Amino acid sequence: DQQVKQNSPSLSVQEGRISILNCDYTNSMFDYFLWYKKYPAEGPTFLISISSIKDKNEDGRFTVFLNKSAKHLSLHIVPSQPGDSAVYFCAAKITQGGSEKLVFGKGTKLTVNP
Amino acid sequence: DGGITQSPKYLFRKEGQNVTLSCEQNLNHDAMYWYRQDPGQGLRLIYYSQIVNDFQKGDIAEGYSVSREKKESFPLTVTSAQKNPTAFYLCASSRIRSGANVLTFGAGSRLTVL
Repeated sequence: DQQVKQNSPSLSVQEGRISILNCDYTNSMFDYFLWYKKYPAEGPTFLISISSIKDKNEDGRFTVFLNKSAKHLSLHIVPSQPGDSAVYFCAAKITQGGSEKLVFGKGTKLTVNP
Repeated sequence: DGGITQSPKYLFRKEGQNVTLSCEQNLNHDAMYWYRQDPGQGLRLIYYSQIVNDFQKGDIAEGYSVSREKKESFPLTVTSAQKNPTAFYLCASSRIRSGANVLTFGAGSRLTVL
C-alpha cells in the first residue's frame, strides 16, 4: 500500500519556465511533508518542507503548496535551471509508537533543457 | 565538517555471503535510518533507530540486520537470506522531535551480488 504517490515518473521543461512536481498521499496522520532532490549515485538533499497546518511555504525559487482536503502537494520551481535536473522525492513524516519516520514517493525525474 | 560517512561506496558480493555496510555520523543526531533504492521504487525503509541499543523494523527488514551500540554508528548487515540484495543503500540521520524530522543522507553504498 503506497501511502505517498508521485504519479509522474518524469517531467521535461525549458530553462526559465516553471517546473511543477506533484505528490498525493493517503494517510491523514502525516504532519509534515518534505521534498528532496537527488543526483545519480549520491544521497538525497533536503529542499523544503511544509507543516500540515500550512498551505504554502516558499524558499527562494522553491515553493511548496499543500491542499489537505485533496491530500495533494506540489513543488514549484521558478525559474527552472539546468542544474535543477535531478530526481525529486516527495516524503511525508509520521509518528507511530513514539518513533518518527519518513515515507517516500517513487520520485519524479526532472529534466530542464537549456 | 559534520556529516554522514558510508563505506564502502561500491561492494561486490557472491551469493550466500553476508556483507556489512558501515554508517557513521558526527552530527550528534539521535535517530539513524537505512533506506534502499531500486530503479522506479523510490526509497524504502529497512531499519531505523531512535536511541542507542534500540531499533525498529521498517517496511522491508527481511534479510537484513542492524545494531546501534553507539550513537554515531548504525551498521547494516545484508544477510544471505535477502533474496534480491543488489541495490543502492542509503543511510540517514536526524534530530527527533524537531518538527519536520529532516533527514541528512550519506552518499550511499552500491551493493552488487555476482
